[in-house]
Amino acid sequence: DAGVTQSPTHLIKTRGQHVTLRCSPISGHKSVSWYQQVLGQGPQFIFQYYEKEERGRGNFPDRFSARQFPNYSSELNVNALLLGDSALYLCASSLGAGGVPGELFFGEGSRLTVL
Amino acid sequence: GQQLNQSPQSMFIQEGEDVSMNCTSSSIFNTWLWYKQDPGEGPVLLIALYKAGELTSNGRLTAQFGITRKDSFLNISASIPSDVGIYFCAGRTVGGATNKLIFGTGTLLAVQP
Repeated sequence: DAGVTQSPTHLIKTRGQHVTLRCSPISGHKSVSWYQQVLGQGPQFIFQYYEKEERGRGNFPDRFSARQFPNYSSELNVNALLLGDSALYLCASSLGAGGVPGELFFGEGSRLTVL
Repeated sequence: GQQLNQSPQSMFIQEGEDVSMNCTSSSIFNTWLWYKQDPGEGPVLLIALYKAGELTSNGRLTAQFGITRKDSFLNISASIPSDVGIYFCAGRTVGGATNKLIFGTGTLLAVQP
């Protein structure tokens, strides 16, 4: 069975550019969450989407946006990139919106480097 | 952003030794999760806990949901070289419909053969 798949795996951008990261959840999972993991730290919650609706947003600026498509895949967009946006961006899928069972299963991430 | 207090920060042990790490929060959680992350990869779920006092095992791993709902620990028995990695605790707060997990600061485990 395919797990959570993310693309691209690595990318390099310059300050001010825009980036789009993509995620396909585990088959049958309807919820996708995005996390940012800066080197040496634990992941930080950015967004959760369930059934194409935003269900939660972390403490990130409006430059960060996301959406979920009818097939439950998702995109994370970041505008006006800053050096501090360099991080591993993780997508996680779960069966439902939360509660039991609500474990998150993570993809391998997209490593973004901003120069 | 908010992160849970996880200790120890790092551990360097010999193969065969037992390992214990814990995580504390100022908030009450209704779910505790433990993940392992290898370099360049995403976190992999090890154990999920849903009730205060719950003790759950997964092979050589045992984790407990603290009675106060503000802490959790993970034990690894008879460590082997493939246990090397970074271990993260994560908690989900009471209420809400989000899958917002708050992660710990991580414990780096090194196992010497």
